[in-house]
Amino acid sequence: EAGVAQSPRYKIIEKRQSVAFWCNPISGHATLYWYQQILGQGPKLLIQFQNNGVVDDSQLPKDRFSAERLKGVDSTLKIQPAKLEDSAVYLCASSPIRRSRGLAGGHTYEQYFGPGTRLTVT
Amino acid sequence: RKEVEQDPGPFNVPEGATVAFNCTYSNSASQSFFWYRQDCRKEPKLLMSVYSSGNEDGRFTAQLNRASQYISLLIRDSKLSDSATYLCVVVRGATNKLIFGTGTLLAVQP
Repeated sequence: EAGVAQSPRYKIIEKRQSVAFWCNPISGHATLYWYQQILGQGPKLLIQFQNNGVVDDSQLPKDRFSAERLKGVDSTLKIQPAKLEDSAVYLCASSPIRRSRGLAGGHTYEQYFGPGTRLTVT
Repeated sequence: RKEVEQDPGPFNVPEGATVAFNCTYSNSASQSFFWYRQDCRKEPKLLMSVYSSGNEDGRFTAQLNRASQYISLLIRDSKLSDSATYLCVVVRGATNKLIFGTGTLLAVQP
């Protein structure tokens, strides 16, 4: 099956400019995630969608970042205006509504990541 | 204190060596744990789940110590292709939120 698609793969902008990233999840995956991965760190969740509703955006800097998932499929993440510290790889991931084995028998769904968009803010 | 902590390494080991990584987590209510692998300039990919009884997949063994709140990954007979960053992941809450460690860099030398 096709994986998670993201575009662009690379983007260089100047600070205070705007930028948008696009993600197309695996077909049929209801849950979509945007992560920010700064060099030398693990990915950090920015926002999680279930279909077209927001489940968690607690770590999204809402003064400059926005995201939407119209029609519950594709998603866009926007930064406006960008700061130098926004330089990072932005990863999109999706997961199915499928139960996999967790420790307490709860629902834990494998997340599939896209190749990411590498953003450099100068 | 970070919710998930790992030694960033690098761990430089010769081919054929056995290497082990540990990871500690702070939230005792965490229920699910994973190891992800991330190759240089690539996306993270699930390596294996961590079960309370321990689990093994070929040369890889993952274990959980709930009392001490740490997770381990053991790699036997290291291959050059094992060179990557290994990310410890803890799942928080009912929304399947993945909390990643900073990753441990492994470099297997010929």
